[in-house]
Amino acid sequence: GDSVTQMEGPVTLSEEAFLTINCTYTATGYPSLFWYVQYPGEGLQLLLKATKADDKGSNKGFEATYRKETTSFHLEKGSVQVSDSAVYFCALSPGANSKLTFGKGITLSVRP
Amino acid sequence: NAGVMQNPRHLVRRRGQEARLRCSPMKGHSHVYWYRQLPEEGLKFMVYLQKENIIDESGMPKERFSAEFPKEGPSILRIQQVVRGDSAAYFCASSPGRRGRDSYNEQFFGPGTRLTVL
Repeated sequence: GDSVTQMEGPVTLSEEAFLTINCTYTATGYPSLFWYVQYPGEGLQLLLKATKADDKGSNKGFEATYRKETTSFHLEKGSVQVSDSAVYFCALSPGANSKLTFGKGITLSVRP
Repeated sequence: NAGVMQNPRHLVRRRGQEARLRCSPMKGHSHVYWYRQLPEEGLKFMVYLQKENIIDESGMPKERFSAEFPKEGPSILRIQQVVRGDSAAYFCASSPGRRGRDSYNEQFFGPGTRLTVL
């Protein structure tokens, strides 16, 4: 079945540092890929998405590129802020109106 | 436009009691998904419903768990005879259901219900 693997955490960075969070997936066909963010005590919010190979999703300075050849969707940001401290989940969906399969999530803490 | 609402936000039950979790989707959304988040784990899909229909329940435990989304009112996730292993955060998400321009319907998540079983 479908699965998503995220790098182990937690991750602690200083403000303005470069961020990379790795995500790889296993799926049949051509899934859509997502990054969700969860702030303390809140539900998940969609951060960015990509629906086909080589698409780049971007939002709030975060980027991720759908790499079919490496089955990856790594999240990057050039300069993190304290307000980026949250839990980040990589996820996939096989198609419209389908369930999401999530990775375990990784906690990011950004120090001032 | 109000977001997805879930209540209660926190629920404490003793072993053997019943837990009822409610989810009101965003206005205009006819599709609801339930996910469970165990400690230190990602979210796991449980069930996908449209109004009055269960579309996919492949993630639901075979016993004690049930879900409904009636024509009127919120979606309900019901857990009978709760056990300590049911302690988790339960998230509901809704989507409009119609196919979007990029063929994906974003799921909007509620704040979750945190169930604690004593």
